[in-house]
Amino acid sequence: RKEVEQDPGPFNVPEGATVAFNCTYSNSASQSFFWYRQDCRKEPKLLMSVYSSGNEDGRFTAQLNRASQYISLLIRDSKLSDSATYLCVVRPSGSARQLTFGSGTQLTVLP
Amino acid sequence: DAGVIQSPRHEVTEMGQEVTLRCKPISGHDYLFWYRQTMMRGLELLIYFNNNVPIDDSGMPEDRFSAKMPNASFSTLKIQPSEPRDSAVYFCASSLESRVHEQFFGPGTRLTVL
Repeated sequence: RKEVEQDPGPFNVPEGATVAFNCTYSNSASQSFFWYRQDCRKEPKLLMSVYSSGNEDGRFTAQLNRASQYISLLIRDSKLSDSATYLCVVRPSGSARQLTFGSGTQLTVLP
Repeated sequence: DAGVIQSPRHEVTEMGQEVTLRCKPISGHDYLFWYRQTMMRGLELLIYFNNNVPIDDSGMPEDRFSAKMPNASFSTLKIQPSEPRDSAVYFCASSLESRVHEQFFGPGTRLTVL
């Protein structure tokens, strides 16, 4: 079983739609969680952190369910520029500095 | 300020040849990471350094791969001899100790081994 699992998609949605991505992680001791975004043929970039209380950044909302080992990302009022691959990322517990990346969910927002 | 710099951006080589990938991290960053990305396996951590010292190389696939960081502003990833299955995009990333989760990636080196 992979440490971080995501639905690869692709998700094709019309502009203005609301879309949600899910991610599960296998290590219950994992400490920190993030979403990264990777545009086609570009490098990944940090999108937002995921807190136990949930957090929102404009049209983006991230939530964490530690009991179910589940992370979600919600994008409201999607824009053409949101088209990208969204990577779910987990940092193990302890002193680990490395991150474990999911394989990503591909989103295409259609005009 | 310049971000993470990688060279070359593209490399095409023949099986059996030596390949050297280069990375210049963001000045002042404490950590440097090397990743490999393929469609089949996604983004995999190969090795990371803290203050130029290798900390975890458990992701290095085999002895054909080696990485060095001779100083705070330069790192190399070497594959010798290269094989077709090494074809991938290799990313270098760096981060600060205080925000280790925010890794800044370079543009990557797209390696094709024929």
